[in-house]
Amino acid sequence: GQQLNQSPQSMFIQEGEDVSMNCTSSSIFNTWLWYKQDPGEGPVLLIALYKAGELTSNGRLTAQFGITRKDSFLNISASIPSDVGIYFCAGINTGTASKLTFGTGTRLQVTL
Amino acid sequence: DAGVIQSPRHEVTEMGQEVTLRCKPISGHDYLFWYRQTMMRGLELLIYFNNNVPIDDSGMPEDRFSAKMPNASFSTLKIQPSEPRDSAVYFCASSSGPLSYNEQFFGPGTRLTVL
Repeated sequence: GQQLNQSPQSMFIQEGEDVSMNCTSSSIFNTWLWYKQDPGEGPVLLIALYKAGELTSNGRLTAQFGITRKDSFLNISASIPSDVGIYFCAGINTGTASKLTFGTGTRLQVTL
Repeated sequence: DAGVIQSPRHEVTEMGQEVTLRCKPISGHDYLFWYRQTMMRGLELLIYFNNNVPIDDSGMPEDRFSAKMPNASFSTLKIQPSEPRDSAVYFCASSSGPLSYNEQFFGPGTRLTVL
């Protein structure tokens, strides 16, 4: 099935650094979501974006819904060890209000 | 709330055997989803239900896969016969409404290994 392209595929950063990852698609999405998955667990929703151009924050996390509706980015400021995990973007198309298309994931490692 | 409950957490079986994965959604949630996660294909939606009725099963790989939701608190995903390429983590998730406006909650997953 279709997947969203995420980059980078993996990141190794030091504690305290800021992180930026993005997600692109050839299709338009009307909702963008960002999830985090810890080892051995299911994904957990971090941020939901509903309008093109929208910028939303959740603590140290900030995400934006691209103007073209074909991309989104997620920033994490002042990373901490518990930020380790896999981050997924996901999009929802008009007319498929309950079908998520997931990105390929960005694996984040934080070193002390 | 206990969250979405899946069982078993791990399943190891031999090729050709029948496998049944189980899910209990969050109470009051009308939508239930089955996903499969592999390294090669990532997270894929297999099927989802609304009010116990299958709405979209276009992601079900082939006839060997079947899913049922006999009531609002229970769903099964069955693979018969299983094959090594079915090895993956299978997630169940539920939501209280359409995902465009409602959060989806995932269970912990069932890690299936088919030998």
